[in-house]
Amino acid sequence: DAKTTQPTSMDCAEGRAANLPCNHSTISGNEYVYWYRQIHSQGPQYIIHGLKNNETNEMASLIITEDRKSSTLILPHATLRDTAVYYCIVILTGANNLFFGTGTRLTVIP
Amino acid sequence: NAGVTQTPKFRVLKTGQSMTLLCAQDMNHEYMYWYRQDPGMGLRLIHYSVGEGTTAKGEVPDGYNVSRLKKQNFLLGLESAAPSQTSVYFCASNTPGQLVTGYNEQFFGPGTRLTVL
Repeated sequence: DAKTTQPTSMDCAEGRAANLPCNHSTISGNEYVYWYRQIHSQGPQYIIHGLKNNETNEMASLIITEDRKSSTLILPHATLRDTAVYYCIVILTGANNLFFGTGTRLTVIP
Repeated sequence: NAGVTQTPKFRVLKTGQSMTLLCAQDMNHEYMYWYRQDPGMGLRLIHYSVGEGTTAKGEVPDGYNVSRLKKQNFLLGLESAAPSQTSVYFCASNTPGQLVTGYNEQFFGPGTRLTVL
């Protein structure tokens, strides 16, 4: 599975959009980009995933560059409850290993 | 549905003691996983199971054993605990990934905080 690189930490003002980048320059054609988050040492929670098209669900949007070497998770209106560590993971469909890096610690500021 | 539950929530062991962590899921998932998370680190896969009666090694399997006697349960055993096994242990489960959509979400339990003195 391809490795990912994320900034260690980011701040975002409450109510503003949070844009979390991820670099996955060695991603292969059949690997998906997944995002999970972990709130205050709880179990990780799935947010969204995508292959090459942009995706949106009730939690977030995922923008994947055309060359698929990087992506951005967008939380459109960040709230205090979005303060968490966000993990970008690249994985083959059906693979069982989720390789978590250290993620990005997002702090939403009132 | 309770989802994924873990027992116990907290435990303190002395070096050399043994214990078993229990994970249970009520979502009829085929696959189950055990991860550990050390302070400031991401999760690392210890062992996993793709079905009742099957187990496989993950990234950091040494010092642990697992069993999947029932589909809904996945047990993680420490035969002789060491301080290096002080960690938070997470269990997860899911169904086989959907090839068309790529959907392969894992559902995580709340974690077990283990301290080995």
